[in-house]
Amino acid sequence: AQSVTQLDSQVPVFEEAPVELRCNYSSSVSVYLFWYVQYPNQGLQLLLKYLSGSTLVKGINGFEAEFNKSQTSFHLRKPSVHISDTAEYFCAVSYYGGSQGNLIFGKGTKLSVKP
Amino acid sequence: ETGVTQTPRHLVMGMTNKKSLKCEQHLGHNAMYWYKQSAKKPLELMFVYNFKEQTENNSVPSRFSPECPNSSHLFLHLHTLQPEDSALYLCASSQRASTSGGSSYEQYFGPGTRLTVT
Repeated sequence: AQSVTQLDSQVPVFEEAPVELRCNYSSSVSVYLFWYVQYPNQGLQLLLKYLSGSTLVKGINGFEAEFNKSQTSFHLRKPSVHISDTAEYFCAVSYYGGSQGNLIFGKGTKLSVKP
Repeated sequence: ETGVTQTPRHLVMGMTNKKSLKCEQHLGHNAMYWYKQSAKKPLELMFVYNFKEQTENNSVPSRFSPECPNSSHLFLHLHTLQPEDSALYLCASSQRASTSGGSSYEQYFGPGTRLTVT
């Protein structure tokens, strides 16, 4: 079955430090990849997406992600985090040949930025 | 402002009550979705409507009944729920839902309804 794995459920980090949130997916077919962010008491907001082309994708709020087909990964990075980046981050994958509704989500990674 | 609104934001109901959740999108999209978000579990897709037609029902119990009167509005009717149904219910919309997966269309989410079943 197709699945998305976010290896870390929680990531604590100090302000201005770099961060990487990991995401792996299980598939050998073509995929579209997304990262969403959820702030407390809010819905999900798209950070960035990979559809095709350059494997390095830049998103909002200084985040970027790199698609690695051989490792079936799509890790999210930010070189210097802020307190306001504290939120939960979800990786999502849309598979060709998958069901309508399209997106399979990981369990999420809670990023906690400390001063 | 995400363009997708949900009401109510919070709901407490007993197991014998009947209530409805409402979602409205102002983005001109043609597909709408209901998701369930429980603690420590991945987001679960419940229903998909594409051009007002229900195209996906992920084995959701019949105590959840969706309704999509037009492309801008989506309801989730609730009756005789169980305590394990307590969760955050998220609505989303997109340009359209792909008929065979592999959709590049971004989904826009509402803020959710926090449901507690007592």
